[in-house]
Amino acid sequence: QVQLQESGPRLVKPSETLSLTCSVSGGSIGSSYWSWIRQPPGKGLEWIGYVFYSGSTNYNPSLRSRVTISIDTSKNQFSLILTSVTAADSAVYYCAVMPTVNRDWFDPWGQGTLVTVSS
Amino acid sequence: QAVLTQPPSVSGAPGQRVTISCSGSRSNIGADYDVHWYRHLPGTAPELLIYADTNRPSGVPDRFSGSKSDTSASLVITGLQAEDEADYYCQSYDRSLSGWLFGGGTKLTVL
Repeated sequence: QVQLQESGPRLVKPSETLSLTCSVSGGSIGSSYWSWIRQPPGKGLEWIGYVFYSGSTNYNPSLRSRVTISIDTSKNQFSLILTSVTAADSAVYYCAVMPTVNRDWFDPWGQGTLVTVSS
Repeated sequence: QAVLTQPPSVSGAPGQRVTISCSGSRSNIGADYDVHWYRHLPGTAPELLIYADTNRPSGVPDRFSGSKSDTSASLVITGLQAEDEADYYCQSYDRSLSGWLFGGGTKLTVL
């Protein structure tokens, strides 16, 4: 069973860049859609986007101008970059796997990492 | 704006049955896109509970079932147990968003 683990800074200053990495273990990072999802405190889940193992991406239109998701198959990792962050970007960030776009559920998920945007 | 609407909270006594609804529109559930359900305990990874409307992953008890009709979907939990207390989320694709949506989440309290 594939396992995912998020890592990265827990505190980011406003207007700066949030950067997170998801490490994949127990399986290959090939041929799936590797996704980021976030949950602001007290709110619901929001899909951020995904990267396919080939490097192609798809992003939530509300975040598209600020988001980049990339993949490093040699390290079995994929990453999230979110630029020009504000307090509204404070959230628990999860990485998760979508098998295919036709089998579009997310399973499994990482434990999540809380990122706070504050000066 | 694309939205999946869930009741903020539901409750039931042990042994009872509860239903959690997920109301969408013609651009998501009503366009016959699959609906998936997750159980989430704060501080842990969300867990896939139902996929493709009605299917349970291995290890999920048959007390959990899903259904879909027109622009809505439902998660039914029978024989409520204390450990079912958690947040539950529905998820589907939305063609107007060209991406994936989650419901706002429903907090289940076992009385």
